[in-house]
Amino acid sequence: QVTLKESGPTLVKPTQTLTLTCTYSGVSGDTSGMGVGWIRQSPGKALEWLALVFWGDFKPSNPSLQSRLAITRDISKNQVVLTMTDVGPADTATYSCVHWSGYSFDSWGRGILVTVSS
Amino acid sequence: DIVMTQSPDSLALSLGERATINCKSSQSVLYTSNNRNYLAWYQQKPGQSPKLLISWASVRESGVPARFSGSGSGTDFTLTISDLQSEDVAVYYCLQHYSLWTFGQGTKVEIK
Repeated sequence: QVTLKESGPTLVKPTQTLTLTCTYSGVSGDTSGMGVGWIRQSPGKALEWLALVFWGDFKPSNPSLQSRLAITRDISKNQVVLTMTDVGPADTATYSCVHWSGYSFDSWGRGILVTVSS
Repeated sequence: DIVMTQSPDSLALSLGERATINCKSSQSVLYTSNNRNYLAWYQQKPGQSPKLLISWASVRESGVPARFSGSGSGTDFTLTISDLQSEDVAVYYCLQHYSLWTFGQGTKVEIK
């Protein structure tokens, strides 16, 4: 069973860099079509895929945010880290860590609400 | 980028009625080499994470009630909930994974 848990700051100031960590377990690390990534949801808004790291180390990110995003994986710690630079109020959202099975986001973390405010 | 547009944004129906949610992609999500539509449907209940209902446009996930069905191909897709139940109150999203990932804006289903 895959479990994912998000951690990081719940309040960041505008223009700062947001760093979120996903700690996972139960994930198979030997299938290149699978991976772990991040999806966010602003209050009352739709889901937005941000970035994902495949076990083959391909790391796609949302083109609309690509210049601000970076995603890395630490195999030794079972962690995936998302970094978002120059945050603003529009980045206020619940950020969820997700597992990509190859055809679906089949497991989700509980999410962490991040508020961008001075 | 593939844009996913759902309609309607919301609908309110009586218990037992049929709900029809449409999803249109800005380009085809049908991969011709395997004849699969890279389109999924998710259900998100208040305070919960989304749950996969339908994969490959029409394959119902294990444990999902038979009243949920998906259809369509190429650029036009439909999620149908026949015999609407109170527990079906949720927001429904389509997701394309043909080219990266894009969700539709969601359709809120309520009981009238």
